Amino acid sequence: AQSVTQPDIHITVSEGASLELRCNYSYGATPYLFWYVQSPGQGLQLLLKYFSGDTLVQGIKGFEAEFKRSQSSFNLRKPSVHWSDAAEYFCAVMDSSYKLIFGSGTRLLVRP
Amino acid sequence: DAGVTQSPTHLIKTRGQHVTLRCSPISGHKSVSWYQQVLGQGPQFIFQYYEKEERGRGNFPDRFSARQFPNYSSELNVNALLLGDSALYLCASSLGGGRHNEQFFGPGTRLTVL
Repeated sequence: AQSVTQPDIHITVSEGASLELRCNYSYGATPYLFWYVQSPGQGLQLLLKYFSGDTLVQGIKGFEAEFKRSQSSFNLRKPSVHWSDAAEYFCAVMDSSYKLIFGSGTRLLVRP
Repeated sequence: DAGVTQSPTHLIKTRGQHVTLRCSPISGHKSVSWYQQVLGQGPQFIFQYYEKEERGRGNFPDRFSARQFPNYSSELNVNALLLGDSALYLCASSLGGGRHNEQFFGPGTRLTVL
């Protein structure tokens, strides 16, 4: 069965520091992968997506993610974190019936 | 441009009651999906509708039902509410029902069951 694992429940970084959020997926075919961000009380906003092609994907707000098929990973990165990046981040894979399967999320805290 | 809208924003019900949640997709979008997000977890897929037909159903009991109207808006109905139904219910719309269609999420309806 398809699944997404986000091994880090919480991550705390200092403002200006780099960030990497981990995501591992289980999916038999070519995965369609997504990263979403959710601020408190808000819905989900798409940061970036990978369908095919270049394995390094650029998204909004300065985020990027790298698809590594050999490691079944799709980690999210940002070179310099801003206080406004504090939120919950969800990795997701789209299955063959077009539904999104989400990980349990990583809560990012930013130290001033 | 208006995004996905959901109503109501918050709702408090008691066990055994029925609830109806509403979703209006982005103009021109023909597909609507519903997700349940329990506190501390990622969203879980409930239903997808495309052109008023059910395209997919997640692992939820028959107490959960949905429909899509000719104007592509959608309702999610939950009967015989249980405490465990307390969650944020998210609606997402997309242009079509295929894998390349990005899903845009609404702000959600927070349901509390007492």
